[in-house]
Amino acid sequence: NAGVTQTPKFQVLKTGQSMTLQCAQDMNHEYMSWYRQDPGMGLRLIHYSVGAGITDQGEVPNGYNVSRSTTEDFPLRLLSAAPSQTSVYFCASSYGAGTGELFFGEGSRLTVL
Amino acid sequence: GEDVEQSLFLSVREGDSSVINCTYTDSSSTYLYWYKQEPGAGLQLLTYIFSNMDMKQDQRLTVLLNKKDKHLSLRIADTQTGDSAIYFCAENAGKSTFGDGTTLTVKP
Repeated sequence: NAGVTQTPKFQVLKTGQSMTLQCAQDMNHEYMSWYRQDPGMGLRLIHYSVGAGITDQGEVPNGYNVSRSTTEDFPLRLLSAAPSQTSVYFCASSYGAGTGELFFGEGSRLTVL
Repeated sequence: GEDVEQSLFLSVREGDSSVINCTYTDSSSTYLYWYKQEPGAGLQLLTYIFSNMDMKQDQRLTVLLNKKDKHLSLRIADTQTGDSAIYFCAENAGKSTFGDGTTLTVKP
């Protein structure tokens, strides 16, 4: 059972480039989310989804897009990367929003030069 | 809005008890959680407490909840070097709000 899988684990981008962070889960979880982790700032919610076809903004959504075409996948898109988006990104899923354990991927470390 | 606060650092000697504290603001949380993050890894659930409980014990871990003061604590008995990690408290589960994390350092 793979759990939550994120790719890539590391990525270096130049300012203005675009990229997609992939997230897939094989637990049939309805809820999926993206967080960024910065030193001294904990985890901040970027976007979340309560099911296929439904997405919503979290605390820090600017500069990021998401879509949820299937239950399994929840990609995070950076359309025009900025140095302020240098961070570690975590995808997480749970059976339902508001209850249950959040399962995290191992993280994707992004550096924007 | 929701807010969760934790102290950032805690250093203890191996064998001592560690107490990590957390305050939260959302009184509607059904569950409150403690997650552990080891270096280079994602977060993993350590333990949780239902909001109508005052205390939960799980082997070396004791969680105390003071709902009136919105205060949550995690006590680790007989702390080991393998307990060195960042500990996050969180309210709710889906659209969770996390504290900034407490870095626990255990000295031999």
